[in-house]
Amino acid sequence: DGGITQSPKYLFRKEGQNVTLSCEQNLNHDAMYWYRQDPGQGLRLIYYSQIVNDFQKGDIAEGYSVSREKKESFPLTVTSAQKNPTAFYLCASSDRGLNEQYFGPGTRLTVT
Amino acid sequence: GQNIDQPTEMTATEGAIVQINCTYQTSGFNGLFWYQQHAGEAPTFLSYNVLDGLEEKGRFSSFLSRSKGYSYLLLKELQMKDSASYLCAVLTDSWGKLQFGAGTQVVVTP
Repeated sequence: DGGITQSPKYLFRKEGQNVTLSCEQNLNHDAMYWYRQDPGQGLRLIYYSQIVNDFQKGDIAEGYSVSREKKESFPLTVTSAQKNPTAFYLCASSDRGLNEQYFGPGTRLTVT
Repeated sequence: GQNIDQPTEMTATEGAIVQINCTYQTSGFNGLFWYQQHAGEAPTFLSYNVLDGLEEKGRFSSFLSRSKGYSYLLLKELQMKDSASYLCAVLTDSWGKLQFGAGTQVVVTP
């Protein structure tokens, strides 16, 4: 079964801690993306990657970091520098930049 | 700057038709997507328009006018399961950079 997995579904952390959200896809897609969604707002792009070992900042990259060492994996680290980290985080992939993006189930991160 | 506007909420009766409008002003345009998102779940792809005109897919149709910066999603024969948020998103470059609107919450009543 091809798809995108994100784990865990719910994540709780204390303020000041870094946390890494996982995203894995077995769709053989080249491009992968990270979005953040806050209540009543649209998705905002954090980082995206078109190929392995390359990624670009999106609109709200401050306080986040990513890596793309393997085609299947695009983990996102939420650092302690991110001022408002509590949000719903969605990972997506597409086989090319111009095609539709497929989304994972999301991780709801709560930082207290 | 980037601006994508869509109504916050719409209510319609089961079996009826609803049209969700989306207007956009973006730095680039490589197509417009519509996604459906149920509460707490991932968005799922509904339609894609890159040329002017109407694209029909079963009960859902989407229209685009590039000169007017305008699109709409038409949902026909509404069902209760269509209650969800509908997201308009503009592809602003050829690398997959999507700019999303805030979403329109559609409530279907019996």
